[in-house]
Amino acid sequence: AQKVTQAQTEISVVEKEDVTLDCVYETRDTTYYLFWYKQPPSGELVFLIRRNSFDEQNEISGRYSWNFQKSTSSFNFTITASQVVDSAVYFCALSGVNQGGKLIFGQGTELSVKP
Amino acid sequence: GAVVSQHPSWVICKSGTSVKIECRSLDFQATTMFWYRQFPKQSLMLMATSNEGSKATYEQGVEKDKFLINHASLTLSTLTVTSAHPEDSSFYICSAREGKAGYNEQFFGPGTRLTVL
Repeated sequence: AQKVTQAQTEISVVEKEDVTLDCVYETRDTTYYLFWYKQPPSGELVFLIRRNSFDEQNEISGRYSWNFQKSTSSFNFTITASQVVDSAVYFCALSGVNQGGKLIFGQGTELSVKP
Repeated sequence: GAVVSQHPSWVICKSGTSVKIECRSLDFQATTMFWYRQFPKQSLMLMATSNEGSKATYEQGVEKDKFLINHASLTLSTLTVTSAHPEDSSFYICSAREGKAGYNEQFFGPGTRLTVL
């Protein structure tokens, strides 16, 4: 069975603080893909990153960075120097290569960045 | 990047009526489309997977006769909520993928907000 757990339901920070969103996954597939999506109040999902299971290199994109650790089945997302525009719900998702492309989403973490 | 559209973006209907939601891939051929439902403050739950030209595969607990999915062409899939009731009010999101390979990326539509009175 596949499962994604985002234990943090809500996080509130003050602008310019760093914040890390946790994601822990479970899968029996040896090849799989991990994703992060942002969902602003408008509802449209914004793709942030895709990582395959063979690539454990950390990724940095501007103020965003991702830490993928297979040993702990985690794929955490850090926003550095958070801004009000980062306020949204963030979803971590998993897709096993043998699952027909189905995406299994975590429960989501609602991030609120206050000025 | 690939673009997926949904129509309508929002719809309000009376209980007992049927509502059709369209999902289109605008600049690529979508062999596979997925339909998700999201209730307020909750995650996205996969409802069904549709492959062009074949019957949709529904997830456990999703009523096939209530949520009719048609994927008649490589650029269009439709979800029809039949005899809608207030508990069907939700945010419906489609995604589309080129090819059937599990590693192919999905592109999401902007969603359709359904309110059943």
